[in-house]
Amino acid sequence: GESVGLHLPTLSVQEGDNSIINCAYSNSASDYFIWYKQESGKGPQFIIDIRSNMDKRQGQRVTVLLNKTVKHLSLQIAATQPGDSAVYFCAENMGGKLIFGQGTELSVKP
Amino acid sequence: DGGITQSPKYLFRKEGQNVTLSCEQNLNHDAMYWYRQDPGQGLRLIYYSQIVNDFQKGDIAEGYSVSREKKESFPLTVTSAQKNPTAFYLCASSFYSNQPQHFGDGTRLSIL
Repeated sequence: GESVGLHLPTLSVQEGDNSIINCAYSNSASDYFIWYKQESGKGPQFIIDIRSNMDKRQGQRVTVLLNKTVKHLSLQIAATQPGDSAVYFCAENMGGKLIFGQGTELSVKP
Repeated sequence: DGGITQSPKYLFRKEGQNVTLSCEQNLNHDAMYWYRQDPGQGLRLIYYSQIVNDFQKGDIAEGYSVSREKKESFPLTVTSAQKNPTAFYLCASSFYSNQPQHFGDGTRLSIL
């Protein structure tokens, strides 16, 4: 079926280290992917997106990689800071609807 | 500042009561969406609207209703038919369906 899943529910990193959050998707027809950050009690905040005609896209301290061969998406956060602590969701665009994964909780240790 | 405003932030529903959650955006977005989020889970789509006076059911529409009479507004009614309404409700909007969706800060609905 159509689903977006995350490999790890929690990730703990040391401040200053790089973080990598992974996501698998099941539908090869998906053409657009988004990463969101959600802090407690708030709505998801857009981080970065990538379309299926790209393999990599960079933003400020973040990079998204798309591997269509294995239907895998990753979010890399450079020099992770305490303010990066949150739940991160990947979302897959299917026919105009976003399908969200369960999320990975990132915890940054000082 | 432009954005999406959801109100109220907290809402309590009595048994057999309908409640309406407000969502207003001033981003000039055509598309609007309602999601439900349960603890420790991702978002599930309830309803979405790609244009004024038109809307479609999402994956979990049963027990919910919406209207889209104005571009800026997309209220969600949680009816008494929704037997498990306790959740965090999120509204989002985007220019088109394949553009980033921007979210409000949610309404937390609980049962009295």
